[in-house]
Amino acid sequence: QITLKESGPTLVKPTQTLTLTCTFSGFSLSTSGVGVGWIRQPPGKALEWLALIYWDDDKQYSPSLNSRLTITKDTSKNQVVLTMTNMDPVDTATYYCAHLDYVWGSSKNYFDYWGQGTLVTVSS
Amino acid sequence: DIQMTQSPSSLSTSVGDRVTITCRASQSISNYLNWYQQKSGKAPKLLIYAASTLQSGVPSRFSGSGSGTDFTLTISSLQPEDFATYYCQQSYSTPWTFGQGTKVEIK
Repeated sequence: QITLKESGPTLVKPTQTLTLTCTFSGFSLSTSGVGVGWIRQPPGKALEWLALIYWDDDKQYSPSLNSRLTITKDTSKNQVVLTMTNMDPVDTATYYCAHLDYVWGSSKNYFDYWGQGTLVTVSS
Repeated sequence: DIQMTQSPSSLSTSVGDRVTITCRASQSISNYLNWYQQKSGKAPKLLIYAASTLQSGVPSRFSGSGSGTDFTLTISSLQPEDFATYYCQQSYSTPWTFGQGTKVEIK
């Protein structure tokens, strides 16, 4: 059974760097066809895709946030880490990590398991 | 970026009603379209992937259709547990993008 859980600070100050960890079980990020993504949701607003890391360490970032984001994986610890620099109050949101199931070159490409999310507030 | 536009943004409906939500992409995305359900305070749940394939364990009253730029999510007979917000999401090209959501409320 696949589970994911986000962890990190609940409050950060403007200009600080946010580091979030996604700890998962039930799958390995060294298995072909697997990835982990980060998605966020400001209070009362829609979902926004942030970044993806694939089993082969390929990484994709949202262009609007690309310069601020870094995603890495530690396969031995079953963890994926997202860092976001220069935090601003508009970055206040619930941050989710999710398991990606995909078949390269096909439309089978979706987030089928999600963590519970972690609310990060940016305020001085 | 590919823009995803859902309509309506919200709807009030009753148990037993048939509900249709539409999602339009700003360019063709073939069938690279997923639907998620999100209940208040909870993480999204995958309902349908590849435009029309029902995720395992999802009730058959949910169905999806469409290809290219126009897609629909249909709930054939709304149940009390279906009151939630629904999002479409394209996985055709990064950045993957979500629609703005459709909130299904009790009339």
